[in-house]
Amino acid sequence: GQQLNQSPQSMFIQEGEDVSMNCTSSSIFNTWLWYKQDPGEGPVLLIALYKAGELTSNGRLTAQFGITRKDSFLNISASIPSDVGIYFCAGRPLGGSNYKLTFGKGTLLTVNP
Amino acid sequence: DAGVIQSPRHEVTEMGQEVTLRCKPISGHNSLFWYRQTMMRGLELLIYFNNNVPIDDSGMPEDRFSAKMPNASFSTLKIQPSEPRDSAVYFCASRLGGTGPGELFFGEGSRLTVL
Repeated sequence: GQQLNQSPQSMFIQEGEDVSMNCTSSSIFNTWLWYKQDPGEGPVLLIALYKAGELTSNGRLTAQFGITRKDSFLNISASIPSDVGIYFCAGRPLGGSNYKLTFGKGTLLTVNP
Repeated sequence: DAGVIQSPRHEVTEMGQEVTLRCKPISGHNSLFWYRQTMMRGLELLIYFNNNVPIDDSGMPEDRFSAKMPNASFSTLKIQPSEPRDSAVYFCASRLGGTGPGELFFGEGSRLTVL
């Protein structure tokens, strides 16, 4: 089935640093989503992207829908301790079921105060 | 506003026992999903309901798993008999609309441990 390659798998950074993570696919996607999962909680939607090239911000978070439609990026600026968690990319392949999301394996972010 | 509500949050049971997980979707959402999360396989879609009707159950692992949605505000996922390899976190999620860009809202999950 469809797979998303999310990288890096984990990151250890100092508070105040910027963070970048990305997600790639071998095929074209028409939707890219970024979720965050806190320990013991369910994933929470951060940003949704629907057009190639789209750049969307949510506070210190910025995500982009790659122009090739095969990738997406999430940046976090000036990280703080509460940014700790697992960040998942997810998407819908072009021509796929509109309800079925493909999820990446996640990026575990640790922020040292 | 209440989010997706799942119960129990934690369940520890012995192999062979029946497990029932419960979900109340967000009011007004007409699509409901059950996902399973493990370290090895990540998030996997088990079953999808639209307007209380199961649309896609291709992700249900085997006959030991069953899901129902008797009305718009309640769904259950049942495992009978349970096995140790069923240990995982099970998430329920809901969404407004079977089509269109409405996105998933997840519950807090039910962590299942089968001994």
